[in-house]
Parts: sequence; structure tokens; C-alpha cells
Amino acid sequence: DTGVSQDPRHKITKRGQNVTFRCDPISEHNRLYWYRQTLGQGPEFLTYFQNEAQLEKSRLLSDRFSAERPKGSFSTLEIQRTEQGDSAMYLCASSLRSRQLNYGYTFGSGTRLTVV
Amino acid sequence: KNEVEQSPQNLTAQEGEFITINCSYSVGISALHWLQQHPGGGIVSLFMLSSGKKKHGRLIATINIQEKHSSLHITASHPRDSAVYICAAKHNTDKLIFGTGTRLQVFP
Repeated sequence: DTGVSQDPRHKITKRGQNVTFRCDPISEHNRLYWYRQTLGQGPEFLTYFQNEAQLEKSRLLSDRFSAERPKGSFSTLEIQRTEQGDSAMYLCASSLRSRQLNYGYTFGSGTRLTVV
Repeated sequence: KNEVEQSPQNLTAQEGEFITINCSYSVGISALHWLQQHPGGGIVSLFMLSSGKKKHGRLIATINIQEKHSSLHITASHPRDSAVYICAAKHNTDKLIFGTGTRLQVFP
């Protein structure tokens, strides 16, 4: 297992276009998180999944944003009708959480989105 | 006021110096993470702690739950330690609330 993978690493898109990012977590991790980081700031929570269930969404996640984790493995984050303010680094992380264990919060390298 | 605050925001040091980065939080947490972020964005988890102290190589992290304060120390700093160091408070839901980071530059 090579850790948390995100694709693409970089994306430049024109304002108004839709974009989709993918995250492949560590295979045995049941929790998957999306964060957004703008320049000079710490990451901000967007949403997280336990298996395929989306358990929490931040108010930062407007109706233009949607995230899925259909089979409880990889996840996608889609942004519709992109705006310049969406330009940021989108980070994915995964962890293993059970009643007995809380382990291994691991981040991917991120997808840097630039909206022009 | 942010729920997680770090100080200083920027830190420069000479190689070999002892470095301390501080983190204060105002929320109830189940644990606190210290993370390292290099240019290009990749984040590496350094420590997750809920009490006491942890040590890994030249890095030491401490937490005082009563005072809601944590510190990250780097002994014998080296230019390769140059990075942004971020503390993040973990809720019971496992989501992280991040500080804004401390940008460390260590000069030879």
C-alpha cells in the first residue's frame, strides 16, 4: 500500500467549468476526510465518510460541492461551476476507527486547483 | 478568535538551535496532532497525543490538557527541518481543526 493517493496533483480550469478530484485512501482505513487549504492558512474541514456513509459536511461545502464514496473505498469530490474563490489545495486523509482502535491519520499530497 | 492558535507564525533559527512552537486550543478535544507540511503541500503526521509527552528522534511534543496547550520542540535544528508546522485539534468525530501553521526556516 502506497499511502493516500490523490489525482490529479494539479488542475487548472476556467471559471464555470466542473472539476472532479479522486482520493484513494489506505485500503484498510474506513474513514476518509476532505479538507481545503488556501494560501497561508491551515486546512479547513469539508466533509468525512465512514465507509460509504457521509457523516458530516461543513457549511463551507456549498451546493456546488458534492462528495461521494460509493463503495467505501475511493472517494470523489466534484465542484460544479467553479469560481476563482475555489482555488485552493484540496487534501484528502484517511484513518482507521473502530471501538477498540483509533489509528493512522494519513494525508495525501493534495490536488492544487487553480481557477482562471 | 480561532479555535486553535499557534505561535509564532514565523520562526527563523540558526542550525543547532533549540526550537519551540506553541499551540493553544479552546475546544474540547480527544487528541492533538502535530503535522509537518513542506512546499508542494504534502502533510506528514508527526505526533498524535492526548496526554503527556512523546519523543521521536529530535522532535518532542508535549500537551497539558488542563491548560489546553501543546508544544512542539526541535532539538539541534537542521536546515532540513525547514517547513510549516501545524497543530490540529481532533474532535471525537475525528475531524481536525487546524491552526494556521508556523513557518520555520533553519539557516546553516
